[in-house]
Amino acid sequence: EAQVTQNPRYLITVTGKKLTVTCSQNMNHEYMSWYRQDPGLGLRQIYYSMNVEVTDKGDVPEGYKVSRKEKRNFPLILESPSPNQTSLYFCASRGDRGESYEQYFGPGTRLTVT
Amino acid sequence: AQTVTQSQPEMSVQEAETVTLSCTYDTSESDYYLFWYKQPPSRQMILVIRQEAYKQQNATENRFSVNFQKAAKSFSLKISDSQLGDAAMYFCAYSSFQGAQKLVFGQGTRLTINP
Repeated sequence: EAQVTQNPRYLITVTGKKLTVTCSQNMNHEYMSWYRQDPGLGLRQIYYSMNVEVTDKGDVPEGYKVSRKEKRNFPLILESPSPNQTSLYFCASRGDRGESYEQYFGPGTRLTVT
Repeated sequence: AQTVTQSQPEMSVQEAETVTLSCTYDTSESDYYLFWYKQPPSRQMILVIRQEAYKQQNATENRFSVNFQKAAKSFSLKISDSQLGDAAMYFCAYSSFQGAQKLVFGQGTRLTINP
């Protein structure tokens, strides 16, 4: 089954404690990205990757890091989480132009930073 | 930069009736994609319908259809014969043809279905 997986689904942590949210896709997609969802703001892109070892900032990159060492994985790293990073996070992937730009989303990770 | 605006934070409709969700966007590009995503309480993002800007014909998927007005930069979603399972948050989204093709989302509209 084609899918994007994220772990963990829920995470409660404290300010300053480094954490990683994993993302993996099994569709051999080149393009992967991270979004955060906040009430009244919709989803906003944090980082994206066009291929292995190629990453770039989205609209709200501050406080986040990513890496793309393998095509299937795109982890999101919070080196020193703060309460304003409490949010719902989605990983997404997309194939090439032939797939009409449809993005496949993971199930989401609810992060709470206290 | 592109922006997407959903001016209706909440909408409600009686079961079996029709409801229209509004979306406007701003772009200087001529080629792009527009999408409607559904987010039920499970939080999963589900693609409902998409529209290619170069196509004049409005997209339709079963009970879901869009009214795409390119000149007015409007992209509304019509849900016919509303069902209880349609209750969800709906997001309008824009994707450029060029560059990183990120999705730019609107703020969302929460749709309630009254039995």
